[in-house]
Formats: sequence, structure tokens, C-alpha cells
Amino acid sequence: QKEVEQNSGPLSVPEGAIASLNCTYSDRGSQSFFWYRQYSGKSPELIMSIYSNGDKEDGRFTAQLNKASQYVSLLIRDSQPSDSATYLCAVTGGTGANNLFFGTGTRLTVIP
Amino acid sequence: DGGITQSPKYLFRKEGQNVTLSCEQNLNHDAMYWYRQDPGQGLRLIYYSQIVNDFQKGDIAEGYSVSREKKESFPLTVTSAQKNPTAFYLCASTGHVNTEAFFGQGTRLTVV
Repeated sequence: QKEVEQNSGPLSVPEGAIASLNCTYSDRGSQSFFWYRQYSGKSPELIMSIYSNGDKEDGRFTAQLNKASQYVSLLIRDSQPSDSATYLCAVTGGTGANNLFFGTGTRLTVIP
Repeated sequence: DGGITQSPKYLFRKEGQNVTLSCEQNLNHDAMYWYRQDPGQGLRLIYYSQIVNDFQKGDIAEGYSVSREKKESFPLTVTSAQKNPTAFYLCASTGHVNTEAFFGQGTRLTVV
């Protein structure tokens, strides 16, 4: 069982729509949750972090965390073509020697 | 400015050669990581280090070696035993436990 799972996509949405990206994790001891955006050929950049249950909003981005369901999501409102990228979910915590885990990413395409 | 610097940005290796990828950080972070990314794929963990003079194998350590003689530096050597080394290599670091990872700009390695 993978520690962090994401739907690989691709996910296509029209410009101006809401894009919804989902992530589940296996370790109930996980503490922190992050969303990274990665453009093709570039390194990942952090766009959202969330540490407690509920929603966290930052501009057009909203992260949602449900620790009981071991589920974290990212909503992108008013999607723009510049949002087209791969979105990586990352989780830290747990009891292992390595406590940083990434999902394989969801590729998002925003269609003008 | 604090950050992670990877060099070189592009690297070409001949068959049978060992090559070393540099990763330096001035963030005073304890933990450092090396990932490999193949086209259209997620991040795969090669090695990680949580303190100086200590490191652990990740999921795909075969054919790679690392050292951590200084807190700031975590070089990765791709040995001739790695039969398919062409990929994008990313170095990352984390500070306090359960905080976000910061990435370098990556090194693209190609076998010629």
C-alpha cells in the first residue's frame, strides 16, 4: 500500500471552472500536508500547506483536510490556463525513519 | 537569499562513467533528500539523510551513492551500476519536523 495516493489524471477542466484534486494517505500519524505545483521540466513549488482539519483558503486555492477519512484535497477556483501543471500531494509525520512522502501527482490541464 | 542549489543543471554521462550531482543548501536544514523523476512520472526516493554522517536508502538506491559530511551538502553519485540513469534528479531539504520540503532546480542527466 502506497503511503500517499493520488489520481494520476489527466484532469481537464475549462477555463473559469473549479478544479478538484484529491489525495489519500495511509498513516494516521501524519501531521502535515502540502500541495506542490510542478510545471513540466521544473522543480516542485509549494502552493498550500494545511495542518488541521477543515479548510484553508489562499486566493484561488483552498486546501481541505479530513484526518478521520485520511483525505486531503485542493480546490482551484476560476481555473486559468497557467494552472496547467502536475500537482503533488505531500504528507509528513508517522513513525518511520523517513517521514516525508509524496504522491505520484495529478496532471491538470485547463482548456482556454 | 536562502535556498537549495543543484549543479549542474544539465549533465551528460558516457556509458560506464560515474558522475556526481551537487546539492548545497544554506537553510540550516537537517534533513536532505534525493529524488529521481522520469518523464510523466512521480518522485521516487533514492536516498535521504536526517543528520550529518548518516543517511538511509530510499526506494531505488541501487546504482547510487551519497555522502553527508557537512550539514549543507548532500552530493549524489550515479555509478556505472545504474543501468538507466537518464532522468531528472531533484534534491530537497526540510527543516523542523513536519515542515515543508524545499527543492533545488533539478539536474537533468542524460546518458550519451
